[in-house]
Amino acid sequence: DGGITQSPKYLFRKEGQNVTLSCEQNLNHDAMYWYRQDPGQGLRLIYYSQIVNDFQKGDIAEGYSVSREKKESFPLTVTSAQKNPTAFYLCASSAEPALNTEAFFGQGTRLTVV
Amino acid sequence: GESVGLHLPTLSVQEGDNSIINCAYSNSASDYFIWYKQESGKGPQFIIDIRSNMDKRQGQRVTVLLNKTVKHLSLQIAATQPGDSAVYFCAEKAAGNKLTFGGGTRVLVKP
Repeated sequence: DGGITQSPKYLFRKEGQNVTLSCEQNLNHDAMYWYRQDPGQGLRLIYYSQIVNDFQKGDIAEGYSVSREKKESFPLTVTSAQKNPTAFYLCASSAEPALNTEAFFGQGTRLTVV
Repeated sequence: GESVGLHLPTLSVQEGDNSIINCAYSNSASDYFIWYKQESGKGPQFIIDIRSNMDKRQGQRVTVLLNKTVKHLSLQIAATQPGDSAVYFCAEKAAGNKLTFGGGTRVLVKP
C-alpha cells in the first residue's frame, strides 16, 4: 500500500544525545515536512523540503537538522542543542507544489528525553 | 483563540446537531487551505480542502467556507456523530509550498 511511514513509534533519548527519526514515503511526493506537537497544542513546522537535495527552515528549526538525499526519505535529527525535545513528531508529504494537494501524515514518533 | 502555545479551545456539541469550527489564518498570500482531523495519538487525517479562488466547498457531511477579506476559514459538520470527536486543525499553504497549521479546536460530541 502507498503511504508514509514513521519509525520508531516511541523513542527514548538521554539528555545530551542526538537522535534521528525516520520518515519514508512511497507516494512519489516531492514535498515533505516535519512538525512538532506538544500535548494539547497545535502543529509547529520544523523543516520542509520541496524537492530532493533542498530544504528550508520552518518556524522552530533551532536544535534540529534534516537531509533530503532521496525523494522518499526525509530523516529528522534532534540534536543536543534542542533544549526541550520531548514531544510528538509528525512527518508529512504532498505532491508537487503546483498541484496544491493535501499533505498526508505518518502516525508519528513520540520522543521522550529521560 | 488560535495562537500556537495556548491549550486547545473545546467545542461541545450534542449528537445530531451541526458543528461549526472556526479558524483565522495569518497569510493573505496563502492560496490553498486544508482541514484535518486528529484523533488521540495519531497523525492528522485529511477532511476537505479549498483553493483561494473559491469561497465554499462541500463534501460528505462537511462544508468549508473561506472568507479571504477577513482571513477566516470555517468547517461545518452536519449531524455530528460520536466518531467526529477529535481535534480539528486548519492549515494554509503559501508560496514555496510552506504548510502551516492553526492552533486547533477539540470537538466533544455528547450522546
